Amino acid sequence: DVKVTQSSRYLVKRTGEKVFLECVQDMDHENMFWYRQDPGLGLRLIYFSYDVKMKEKGDIPEGYSVSREKKERFSLILESASTNQTSMYLCASRMIQGKNLYEQYFGPGTRLTVT
Amino acid sequence: AQKVTQAQTEISVVEKEDVTLDCVYETRDTTYYLFWYKQPPSGELVFLIRRNSFDEQNEISGRYSWNFQKSTSSFNFTITASQVVDSAVYFCALSEEPNDYKLSFGAGTTVTVRA
Repeated sequence: DVKVTQSSRYLVKRTGEKVFLECVQDMDHENMFWYRQDPGLGLRLIYFSYDVKMKEKGDIPEGYSVSREKKERFSLILESASTNQTSMYLCASRMIQGKNLYEQYFGPGTRLTVT
Repeated sequence: AQKVTQAQTEISVVEKEDVTLDCVYETRDTTYYLFWYKQPPSGELVFLIRRNSFDEQNEISGRYSWNFQKSTSSFNFTITASQVVDSAVYFCALSEEPNDYKLSFGAGTTVTVRA
């Protein structure tokens, strides 16, 4: 079974803090994603990584950066957290070949509160 | 513009009732993919189905069935004889060529099944 894990289920940070959200997948997937989920808006893509050290902006990259130094790990960084970044953050991964090509596998999410 | 519309925000049913979730999508591409995901209270999105635009056959998997109609740009999902374990948020999503990695999610429909 594919497993995508996220470092924290719940996180509380103060405005202005630098925040790191970590995601690890164990299936050697090339693609990894960071989404945020807000009520009434569904999931919105923040960043996407094709492979190690490769990244592409999603729909809402402002205020975020990412790092992918190893294939299995994809980090989301909030350089200076703000209250409007309070949200549920979901990581996902996907293989680029095979019969499950288009299926994204999701982690359990990190609920971040910025006070 | 919203590419995927899930008009129903919340649906509440009694166990054993059938429930149908509506999904309407918008795209100019001829090649695209439609998905349904389930998000139980644990938070992790679970893949349910993927359909490509060239395959309009309806699909049944146990108590779940999907009705894909290109003429109305809809991809509706029915749970037959609902159970309490079906309580979750259900998301419909669309991906389009050439950026097939990018999922556009609907806002989600919260289904509550009461015993």
